[in-house]
Amino acid sequence: QSALTQPASVSGSPGQSITISCTGTSSDVGGYYYVSWFQQHPGKAPKLLIYDISNRPSGVSNRFSGSKSGNTASLTISGLQAEDEADYYCSLYTSSSTIVVFGGGTKLTVL
Amino acid sequence: QVQLVQSGAEVKKPGASVKVSCKASGYTFTRYDISWVRQAPGQGLEWMGWISAYNGNTNYAQKLQGRVTMTTDTTTSTAYMEVRSLRSDDTAVYYCVRFSFYYGMDVWGQGTTVTVSS
Repeated sequence: QSALTQPASVSGSPGQSITISCTGTSSDVGGYYYVSWFQQHPGKAPKLLIYDISNRPSGVSNRFSGSKSGNTASLTISGLQAEDEADYYCSLYTSSSTIVVFGGGTKLTVL
Repeated sequence: QVQLVQSGAEVKKPGASVKVSCKASGYTFTRYDISWVRQAPGQGLEWMGWISAYNGNTNYAQKLQGRVTMTTDTTTSTAYMEVRSLRSDDTAVYYCVRFSFYYGMDVWGQGTTVTVSS
């Protein structure tokens, strides 16, 4: 699989919604791949936010949602809060290859 | 609760080897796989490979083939990751992660800092 492309940075004000994109190709994101999203605060381990494109693990706020259209997966954060300021990573893998690819990461700044 | 607890920080010289442990608790160890992910200072996440805790099957990132070995000890619910012939660009925080095909990488260890310096 090729690398996944994410914007280096995004920003928003408290209460707003933002979307982070994760773009691949028709051979990966566009196919049947498992897409996940992670949140990482400085000095901390990443935390799973979304699995299998749009599912939230137990305990993750419903302000976080995932979707996919064509070759692009997206993470939307609604009702932006100060504690959402962090780095966000997408990843994907298939059940056949079991190779995992990460996006380059997006730094979210809450203004 | 489900958790993965990793071994402590390591400082190694170039050319040496390092072995990081990851002890699982709170779930049936053999029902999930373990992935290893590393993060160089100021950089993004890099997938290193995967091991089945059920049968020991492995799949390593091509970049690390020949230098990395992942193993498990089911009697102690512990996974291990060894990197040989260390170089300065192996300096990173290394994470073990519980993995399943549907839920993905859902539980992360706290990370182990490995510093390679002469």
